[in-house]
Amino acid sequence: DIQMSQSPSSLSASVGDRVTVTCRASQGISNYLAWYQQKPGKVPKLLIYAASTLQSGVPSRFSGSGSGTDFTLTISSLQPEDVATYYCQNYNSAPSITFGQGTRLEIK
Amino acid sequence: EVQLLESGGGLVQPGGSLRLSCAASGFTFSSYAMSWVRQAPGKGLEWVSSISGSGGSAYYADSVKGRFTVSRDNSKNTLSLQMNSLRAEDTAVYYCAKLRSMDVVAATNYWGQGTLVTVSS
Repeated sequence: DIQMSQSPSSLSASVGDRVTVTCRASQGISNYLAWYQQKPGKVPKLLIYAASTLQSGVPSRFSGSGSGTDFTLTISSLQPEDVATYYCQNYNSAPSITFGQGTRLEIK
Repeated sequence: EVQLLESGGGLVQPGGSLRLSCAASGFTFSSYAMSWVRQAPGKGLEWVSSISGSGGSAYYADSVKGRFTVSRDNSKNTLSLQMNSLRAEDTAVYYCAKLRSMDVVAATNYWGQGTLVTVSS
């Protein structure tokens, strides 16, 4: 099975900061990588798919990069509404579809 | 507007069975693969199962393989998850999710509100 490892597990940043979350796959997954945002008490929301394609309606301050085993989610200027837990997901092949353990983002 | 409405959750004893359903609307159901994803209380997301748009291919996480069965009725726009031999560790909110393509190799672009399954004596 492909394991997904996210870092950090939690972080605190100030409004306006540039924030980066990293996701590493245990083996190469090309660009079959998605990022989701889950706000407290809400359902997950797709932010990025195919490692770097922004889902329609998602603010442009969110971006994704990477290929193979190393991926990054970047928020260029952190906003208060970005408080959430962020998950990466590998969908390279079934049944090895896995989520990272999540990164909890808070405002400092 | 895409809508996914889960039902069938509840309290069940260990070893028992439960059948979850998801009523889909707002899109051409047969053109998209679907998944079940669960989230234990206070924990992260866990993929459970996916099924292709035609229903011809289905996949399961190792943790549920042999106990859960996913199916779909494209004539009724309904996705189902039959859960047998339930364990305490199956306790979670179960989300019905729509994928971006007919194939299961795709990201999830819509999620239902979830239905809570509690396995306890």
